[in-house]
Order: sequence, then structure tokens, then C-alpha cells
Amino acid sequence: EAGVVQSPRYKIIEKKQPVAFWCNPISGHNTLYWYRQNLGQGPELLIRYENEEAVDDSQLPKDRFSAERLKGVDSTLKIQPAELGDSAVYLCASRDGGSSYEQYFGPGTRLTVT
Amino acid sequence: QKEVEQNSGPLSVPEGAIASLNCTYSDRGSQSFFWYRQYSGKSPELIMSIYSNGDKEDGRFTAQLNKASQYVSLLIRDSQPSDSATYLCAVTSGSARQLTFGSGTQLTVLP
Repeated sequence: EAGVVQSPRYKIIEKKQPVAFWCNPISGHNTLYWYRQNLGQGPELLIRYENEEAVDDSQLPKDRFSAERLKGVDSTLKIQPAELGDSAVYLCASRDGGSSYEQYFGPGTRLTVT
Repeated sequence: QKEVEQNSGPLSVPEGAIASLNCTYSDRGSQSFFWYRQYSGKSPELIMSIYSNGDKEDGRFTAQLNKASQYVSLLIRDSQPSDSATYLCAVTSGSARQLTFGSGTQLTVLP
């Protein structure tokens, strides 16, 4: 079974530029999460999707961040415009929606804003 | 106050020893508890989950949960240099079972 797929793996952009990250969850996993992980910290939730619905986006900085999950499968997270403080690893995770609540992470996208 | 606390380490143990990693959490209503291993430059990998009080063993790993003390731990027996990584404790709470992570404990197993 294929794991969570993310692209790109690395991205370097100048501040004020836009950037987008893509995630394809494990097949059959209805719940998808985007996290941000800063160096030396644990992942912090940005947004959670149940199928195509964003059910928890309270931690998403909505002035510059947006996300979508069309058709309830793959998802895109966008930042526009990027700021220096956005440099981090952006992780996508998925869960099958059952009772175990186990989340499985993709490889992440390391974003560097210069 | 952080919701999930871990000693940041670094924790160093000799090869073959038992490594003990600890985690406390603040939400008494937390329901599910996980340990993730994260190698440098890699993403978190789920290694253990525990849902009820007591011990859960999987190979060289044992997770221990004490809900009364709001404490969860991970023991790694016969530690190997390949176990050197950061170990993240994660706890779910609330009706949405949102996962909250600690900052991780860096473990180094010395050959």
C-alpha cells in the first residue's frame, strides 16, 4: 500500500512570492491533515479535512494561507505571499476515519523563504 | 502551559541498554496516545499507539500509560544505534480527537 505522497520535497522562494504544496493521502483515508513543523518542535495542526470539508481550520493563518481538497482525495496548501517566518517543514498526514485515530505522515515539504 | 511535555534531551544510552522516554499531558480527557520516531530530515513515523492503562509491547518497544498520573512512556530495550532519533509523544483530545505533539526527545544510542 502506498503511503502519503507529497510534492515538492524542497522549495526555496523569495519572500512575497506564492508557493503551493500538494498531498495525496493513503488510498481510502477520508481524513487529511496539514501540519507545520518548525525546527526542534513537534508538528502543529494547520487544517483538517473530513472528505472534502475543512472541519478544523482554526490554526490556519487565513490572511495568507489557503487550502483545498477537491473531490475529497488530494489536497493543496497555498501560501501567498510567503514571509520569512513561514520557513518550516509542511507535513501532510492521513487517517482512515475509523476508531484508531492513527495518523500517517508523508515525507513533507521543506520550505525556505529568503 | 504546553499541553504535552517531554524532556528535550538529548538522552544518551549505550548500545544494548534500555532507553526510557517520558511524556506528560495536561488534558485529563485525552483518549489516545502515540509515539512517533523522527529521524533527522525525515517525517514522523508511527511506532506505538496505546489507548488504555497499562503496558503494550511490540518487539523491543513497550508503551506504558497511566491516565491517573497523566503520564505515558516509551521503553526501548536492547537499544541500537539505529534507534538514534527524536521521539515525539502525541495525544488526542476533544471531540475531534485532535492530535497534539510534544516537542520531542532526542535519543542517541552510543555504539
